[in-house]
Amino acid sequence: AQTVTQSQPEMSVQEAETVTLSCTYDTSESDYYLFWYKQPPSRQMILVIRQEAYKQQNATENRFSVNFQKAAKSFSLKISDSQLGDAAMYFCAYRSGVENRDDKIIFGKGTRLHILP
Amino acid sequence: DGGITQSPKYLFRKEGQNVTLSCEQNLNHDAMYWYRQDPGQGLRLIYYSQIVNDFQKGDIAEGYSVSREKKESFPLTVTSAQKNPTAFYLCARLTGGGPLHFGNGTRLTVT
Repeated sequence: AQTVTQSQPEMSVQEAETVTLSCTYDTSESDYYLFWYKQPPSRQMILVIRQEAYKQQNATENRFSVNFQKAAKSFSLKISDSQLGDAAMYFCAYRSGVENRDDKIIFGKGTRLHILP
Repeated sequence: DGGITQSPKYLFRKEGQNVTLSCEQNLNHDAMYWYRQDPGQGLRLIYYSQIVNDFQKGDIAEGYSVSREKKESFPLTVTSAQKNPTAFYLCARLTGGGPLHFGNGTRLTVT
């Protein structure tokens, strides 16, 4: 069974600095998707970034980028130029890419990110 | 709301009563999911459905029931058998080859 582990329950970063959130996963599959979600105090789940496992290039969305290390099964999120609005809970998630497979999305336990002014 | 609507936003019930949370999607997607989130915790899967009239238990299905009579609707009933029902409930739809899109959630309080 697949698992997703976020080893940092909480992190803090100074405004305008860069922070990296860690995520590791365990799977025997070669085809899958990985996601980072943000949950601000409003509790709305917002998709931040996605990565297809077959793509070697790391995904980037504005100030958000990932470091995808397939062999190491690592999928960290880097936030550059941190802003106060980035303060939230961040969840890493795994989805199988195998066709017809039971689509059970696996989430990590989350990392709470604090932005210090 | 990403094409998925949950209602109501807040719900209050007395202990021993069943309560149904609504989840509707308007984008004709097949797969829908219910998650529970407790304070400071991650998301735990309750039930999911990949096609009409079929659904699968997630990790914490005990005390919950669902139905999928129409593609656009996937209501969750929290029964009196659920020992600790107070929580935040999130419904989501799955896009093909992509991520989950979530509704805004329902905060259920049982006293």
